[in-house]
Amino acid sequence: DVKVTQSSRYLVKRTGEKVFLECVQDMDHENMFWYRQDPGLGLRLIYFSYDVKMKEKGDIPEGYSVSREKKERFSLILESASTNQTSMYLCASRTGSSYNEQFFGPGTRLTVL
Amino acid sequence: AQKVTQAQTEISVVEKEDVTLDCVYETRDTTYYLFWYKQPPSGELVFLIRRNSFDEQNEISGRYSWNFQKSTSSFNFTITASQVVDSAVYFCALISYSGAGSYQLTFGKGTKLSVIP
Repeated sequence: DVKVTQSSRYLVKRTGEKVFLECVQDMDHENMFWYRQDPGLGLRLIYFSYDVKMKEKGDIPEGYSVSREKKERFSLILESASTNQTSMYLCASRTGSSYNEQFFGPGTRLTVL
Repeated sequence: AQKVTQAQTEISVVEKEDVTLDCVYETRDTTYYLFWYKQPPSGELVFLIRRNSFDEQNEISGRYSWNFQKSTSSFNFTITASQVVDSAVYFCALISYSGAGSYQLTFGKGTKLSVIP
């Protein structure tokens, strides 16, 4: 079975902290994505990666960075967390064609106090 | 720019009723794919269906069916004889080629379906 896992389901951090969100997929997928989901705004793409050490900005990359040192792992980094980064963060992966479906992890609900 | 509109923010139905979730899209491309995903309360988006722009055949999978009409740019999703387990947020999405080797994936804002026992 296809599997995307995220390191935490719930996370509470303080303003200014550095936050790491980890995502691992076991499907040998080339492409991985980070989204944030907010009420009324749907899913918005933060960053994606189409290969190891490769990354591309999505629609809302400000305040975030990413790391992909291994094919199966894609990390989202909040260098200095702010309250407006309180959100649900979803990781996804996809293989092959850009027209293929994405497989999502369970999400991390991050609260920044 | 492409767009996906799910005009129904929330829908409530009584169990066993049929319900249709609307999805209207805009794109200039002739080649594109449409998707539906389900997000149950657990949070994980689950892929339901993918349909390409050249295939207007409707699809049925158990109690689920999808009606794709290019003439109205719609890709509607019907659940027949709804069940409480169908309660979730449903997202419609569109992907098309945006040029220079890039593809743009756009999600609708989702429709929250509540099925009342």
